[in-house]
Amino acid sequence: SYDLTQPPSVSVSPGQTATITCSGHKLGDKYACWYQQKPGQSPVLVIYQDTKRPSGIPERFSGSNSGNTATLTISGTQAMDEADYYCQAWDNSTGIFGGGTKLTVL
Amino acid sequence: QVQLQESGPGLVKPSETLSLICTVSVYSIRSDYYWGWIRQPPGKGLEWIASVYHSGSTYYNPSLKSRVTVSVDTSKNQFSLKLSSVTAADTAVYYCARSNGVYGDQISDRYFDLWGRGTLVTVSS
Repeated sequence: SYDLTQPPSVSVSPGQTATITCSGHKLGDKYACWYQQKPGQSPVLVIYQDTKRPSGIPERFSGSNSGNTATLTISGTQAMDEADYYCQAWDNSTGIFGGGTKLTVL
Repeated sequence: QVQLQESGPGLVKPSETLSLICTVSVYSIRSDYYWGWIRQPPGKGLEWIASVYHSGSTYYNPSLKSRVTVSVDTSKNQFSLKLSSVTAADTAVYYCARSNGVYGDQISDRYFDLWGRGTLVTVSS
């Protein structure tokens, strides 16, 4: 089965850049997307098709995907960005989620 | 305005069948979207369960496929999930979600851009 691996946690200081990675075999050959989930809330799409931002998502969120790794970058991280982040891709029409990364803004 | 709303029993007995419905508002379920179910056990990550297209095409998580059925009711603008032979491990918040993309995109090019609020289903006697 196909797996997506994320670091369990990432810490960043306010105003700095947060980088969250998602690794999978030849992930760069697939589309990756990213979801933000705050406690008690439904996930929110923040990046789709590797690099695209949905309407309403701040420009500080960006994405890339190449080789075996997709990356979510949050520039100028704000306290409101503290959340769990999940990457997701499709493998043979099967939806795969990464295990999630807890982003702490300290 | 609620756009996706899950409904169904919050408590299911072990070995029984979990049944949920997602009611879609604002959008037609006949539009070019896939409709999916995702679950999240308490304190854990997201797990995709299945997706369905209005034509009836279905896609299942291989690990759950033997127990899952998803279907669409276009007359009610709803889609549904049935998960049989449940155990405590099936206790989770169940979300319904819309998979969007460019018209004609395969499911593998899609992304979940709209989610319901989720409903907690507990499996317990």
